[in-house]
Amino acid sequence: AQSVTQLDSHVSVSEGTPVLLRCNYSSSYSPSLFWYVQHPNKGLQLLLKYTSAATLVKGINGFEAEFKKSETSFHLTKPSAHMSDAAEYFCVVSDQVDSSYKLIFGSGTRLLVRP
Amino acid sequence: EPEVTQTPSHQVTQMGQEVILRCVPISNHLYFYWYRQILGQKVEFLVSFYNNEISEKSEIFDDQFSVERPDGSNFTLKIRSTKLEDSAMYFCASKRLTGTSKETQYFGPGTRLLVL
Repeated sequence: AQSVTQLDSHVSVSEGTPVLLRCNYSSSYSPSLFWYVQHPNKGLQLLLKYTSAATLVKGINGFEAEFKKSETSFHLTKPSAHMSDAAEYFCVVSDQVDSSYKLIFGSGTRLLVRP
Repeated sequence: EPEVTQTPSHQVTQMGQEVILRCVPISNHLYFYWYRQILGQKVEFLVSFYNNEISEKSEIFDDQFSVERPDGSNFTLKIRSTKLEDSAMYFCASKRLTGTSKETQYFGPGTRLLVL
């Protein structure tokens, strides 16, 4: 069965400092992994996705994530946080063997950015 | 850029009433989904729909729930007799291609349902 664990429910950083949001996954086959962002009272927006091509994936707004199969991790990083990055971030897995390709969400990490 | 739309943005209803949440997926997409997010909890899969039938449903999606694609553009979620615990944000999503988990699911802005 697929599952996603986001290791931190809240992360607080100062503006201009690096961001690290941690995610570990469990999947029985070849997973596709995604990071979605949800700003307050908004829908879910795709930041980036891993689909078995390059292990280092670049997304929008300067975010990137590295797929590490040996560690079953897909951590999200950004070199320098901006105030507008404050939001909830969801690590998501979808499995090729799942015929409906449904998304399994982690519990989310709320990113706070201090001025 | 095409996007998934949902109406209404907010819905308040009395317990036991029927509600219909509406979604217009992106026009050339083939897979459609409903997810929900109870306040403070994770986003949960409800149902997937392909080729005019349900392809998978979760345990949450009991007999009180139904989905329909009544025409070529709309995709609806009906809750027959709402309960207090149905209060949540409901997201519609759609996906372009079949046969792969790699395709991005595009989400609508959500409908916030409050059952009193």
